[in-house]
Amino acid sequence: GAVVSQHPSWVICKSGTSVKIECRSLDFQATTMFWYRQFPKQSLMLMATSNEGSKATYEQGVEKDKFLINHASLTLSTLTVTSAHPEDSSFYICSARVLAGRGETQYFGPGTRLLVL
Amino acid sequence: AQSVTQLDSHVSVSEGTPVLLRCNYSSSYSPSLFWYVQHPNKGLQLLLKYTSAATLVKGINGFEAEFKKSETSFHLTKPSAHMSDAAEYFCVVSNSGGYQKVTFGTGTKLQVIP
Repeated sequence: GAVVSQHPSWVICKSGTSVKIECRSLDFQATTMFWYRQFPKQSLMLMATSNEGSKATYEQGVEKDKFLINHASLTLSTLTVTSAHPEDSSFYICSARVLAGRGETQYFGPGTRLLVL
Repeated sequence: AQSVTQLDSHVSVSEGTPVLLRCNYSSSYSPSLFWYVQHPNKGLQLLLKYTSAATLVKGINGFEAEFKKSETSFHLTKPSAHMSDAAEYFCVVSNSGGYQKVTFGTGTKLQVIP
């Protein structure tokens, strides 16, 4: 099946620094990738939709200047948390969409746990 | 508009007994429906999906779900729970219309008692 990887899996950083998270589709091309965040004991919340070669579409309430998304190729999307603060500490998960037949499937990465001190 | 409701935030079963995790949805379009499992500190794994084919969908690890349009439900079942099934389960609806957007349920934590 389709595999999505994320790097790094864990990151600890100081407040005010920027952190880049990579999401790769390893054995397929993904024109669309999604970024989610998950707070402890809560469900996943969609942050943005990343489209290859164009600007990302952000959900309401998500600051596009704080969460920079780049989808430079059909197998790579990056999320950069700029000037991270402790409240940005969360579990960030990406997914890649595969269209097949009459439906779609999203394959999720293993997630990146961010802790901002 | 679409939404998904997982009726139980926590379900506890004994090992070897059946599992039922409930999910109801609403969608303006013909939906695609999914169940994902998340083990502690792990990413999401697709268990099964419904995409307008057979209403009874079989997934991995012995799980299955039945799409019931009249009841707008997509409950997840397994005949016999295993200790390794203990995890968080998410029901997900995807809009199969022009803009495909995924909405997650709030999750059901499954506890399996030895």
